[in-house]
Amino acid sequence: ETGVTQTPRHLVMGMTNKKSLKCEQHLGHNAMYWYKQSAKKPLELMFVYNFKEQTENNSVPSRFSPECPNSSHLFLHLHTLQPEDSALYLCASSQVHRGAGGYTFGSGTRLTVV
Amino acid sequence: AQTVTQSQPEMSVQEAETVTLSCTYDTSESDYYLFWYKQPPSRQMILVIRQEAYKQQNATENRFSVNFQKAAKSFSLKISDSQLGDAAMYFCAYRTYPTQGGSEKLVFGKGTKLTVNP
Repeated sequence: ETGVTQTPRHLVMGMTNKKSLKCEQHLGHNAMYWYKQSAKKPLELMFVYNFKEQTENNSVPSRFSPECPNSSHLFLHLHTLQPEDSALYLCASSQVHRGAGGYTFGSGTRLTVV
Repeated sequence: AQTVTQSQPEMSVQEAETVTLSCTYDTSESDYYLFWYKQPPSRQMILVIRQEAYKQQNATENRFSVNFQKAAKSFSLKISDSQLGDAAMYFCAYRTYPTQGGSEKLVFGKGTKLTVNP
């Protein structure tokens, strides 16, 4: 247990489904992130939330919709996804100030779009 | 834009031997942090070691050490006395601290798959 919990661990969904990924951190951090990890590609930063406010959207398609109701919880709402969206989705948290350490990651949700 | 390059897609090492994984990065900033993360098949990204750019001394954590060459923008990871449990994907990462707005973020390389042979 690293302090960042992601659910579900695996998800298979059809292209017309709507589902949500959940991330919860128990570390008292003030920033949370969604990353996408596809085969043979670097981890891609999708969204950044600082103090519950979205501070970065890395040109992510609107079929991905993040939500951060408080500093401890982060959601990624999915709808009308494409097969190329199949990937490992990683959530991370950190403390935003100089001198802080790296990010703490969850174990990810393996998403398969069929 | 900051980029991180890991030129070795795969590496292998014999158990108990030493292996070095390469990483170079590109930045115009003078103050930043560098990290090595390990991702075993369990998918958990685990922080292995970190280096502050303002520190000249290379970081060490038990069997893991780095060779940080700031002028060359190089940040290699040395694993000594390799163990079977060291087998994983290793990612080099750079943490940005934008001075003109924007978000601080962690930028990753593509990773190096390390195999440890018994």
